[in-house]
Amino acid sequence: NAGVTQTPKFQVLKTGQSMTLQCAQDMNHNSMYWYRQDPGMGLRLIYYSASEGTTDKGEVPNGYNVSRLNKREFSLRLESAAPSQTSVYFCASSEEFEKNTIYFGEGSWLTVV
Amino acid sequence: RKEVEQDPGPFNVPEGATVAFNCTYSNSASQSFFWYRQDCRKEPKLLMSVYSSGNEDGRFTAQLNRASQYISLLIRDSKLSDSATYLCVVNEGGSYIPTFGRGTSLIVHP
Repeated sequence: NAGVTQTPKFQVLKTGQSMTLQCAQDMNHNSMYWYRQDPGMGLRLIYYSASEGTTDKGEVPNGYNVSRLNKREFSLRLESAAPSQTSVYFCASSEEFEKNTIYFGEGSWLTVV
Repeated sequence: RKEVEQDPGPFNVPEGATVAFNCTYSNSASQSFFWYRQDCRKEPKLLMSVYSSGNEDGRFTAQLNRASQYISLLIRDSKLSDSATYLCVVNEGGSYIPTFGRGTSLIVHP
């Protein structure tokens, strides 16, 4: 029962470095999401992909890019990491937009120093 | 920006107590509603969907009040294991973007 798998689980970056968070789901879901969660801020949507081949900005897209590689995979890239991007990142997926039970990965803890 | 508001708490209750949380939403066109549970340093997980007629799952009851634009979660006979943050989620429909509240923290003590 893999569900949503994201890697890495933990990462420390230096300011200015780049990295990609990987996410894959095995539930044949159409929609995928990247959220960040900060204390007191709740979950904030960075980017989403309603279906394979499409991506759209969420609430806080600046400093990030995404790729919906195929139906299963949705990656998040930080091109030039900043300390403000220190956060917990959650990848998620849902079957269809109107069947919005969202399944989350276990999270990626990112620290930018 | 559409808003989903929750009292952050914490709600500090003894075992066996009944506790209720509300979540208000601003978009009257919202169509589907959910409660998620998030344990410390874990991912959110679906607790239950909220149906127009209200629904119950064991000790948990969820209700929707469209007129006043809020959903509620009632937990009866609280257990220590109920300690967590409860997130409400509202979906407008026709939109791929579910909106999360910031969560309500529940602490159940012996």
